[in-house]
Amino acid sequence: EAQVTQNPRYLITVTGKKLTVTCSQNMNHEYMSWYRQDPGLGLRQIYYSMNVEVTDKGDVPEGYKVSRKEKRNFPLILESPSPNQTSLYFCASSIRAGGVHQPQHFGDGTRLSIL
Amino acid sequence: DAKTTQPPSMDCAEGRAANLPCNHSTISGNEYVYWYRQIHSQGPQYIIHGLKNNETNEMASLIITEDRKSSTLILPHATLRDTAVYYCIVRTISNFGNEKLTFGTGTRLTIIP
Repeated sequence: EAQVTQNPRYLITVTGKKLTVTCSQNMNHEYMSWYRQDPGLGLRQIYYSMNVEVTDKGDVPEGYKVSRKEKRNFPLILESPSPNQTSLYFCASSIRAGGVHQPQHFGDGTRLSIL
Repeated sequence: DAKTTQPPSMDCAEGRAANLPCNHSTISGNEYVYWYRQIHSQGPQYIIHGLKNNETNEMASLIITEDRKSSTLILPHATLRDTAVYYCIVRTISNFGNEKLTFGTGTRLTIIP
């Protein structure tokens, strides 16, 4: 089954303790992206990746890092989490067929609480 | 980025057609209109997209006005499982090829039994 898998689904942690949220897709998609969702603000893009070793900032990259060493994986790293990073996070992926972006597939989300 | 305006909430009777409007008056000529929905806090689910012409797939129909300043998503026979938040999005592609989906606050559609 084609899917985007995020882990963990839920995490409660403390300020300053480094954490990584993993994202993996099994559709051989080149494009991957991270979003965060906060009440009243919709989904905002954090980082995106056009392909292996090609990443760039989205609208709200501060406090986050990403890497894309393999096509299927796109982990989101919070080096020193802070309470304002408490949010619902989504990973998405898509393919560019003939130079045209196809619709993005989203994972089921990771709910992070930073105390 | 082109903004979209949607009503915050709508109700629809089960079995009837649900018509969800969206205004996107600042849309550019090459920007697509996308619709996604989100059930509870699950990941957004793609529904349909279009540029100029009306589109239909197994889930829904998309009607785009001739001036492209507004569109309507139609769920032809709404079921209780269609209760969700529906997002109308103008998709932008940056110079670097980044496909950005800017989700607003959407329309909360409630299907009434």
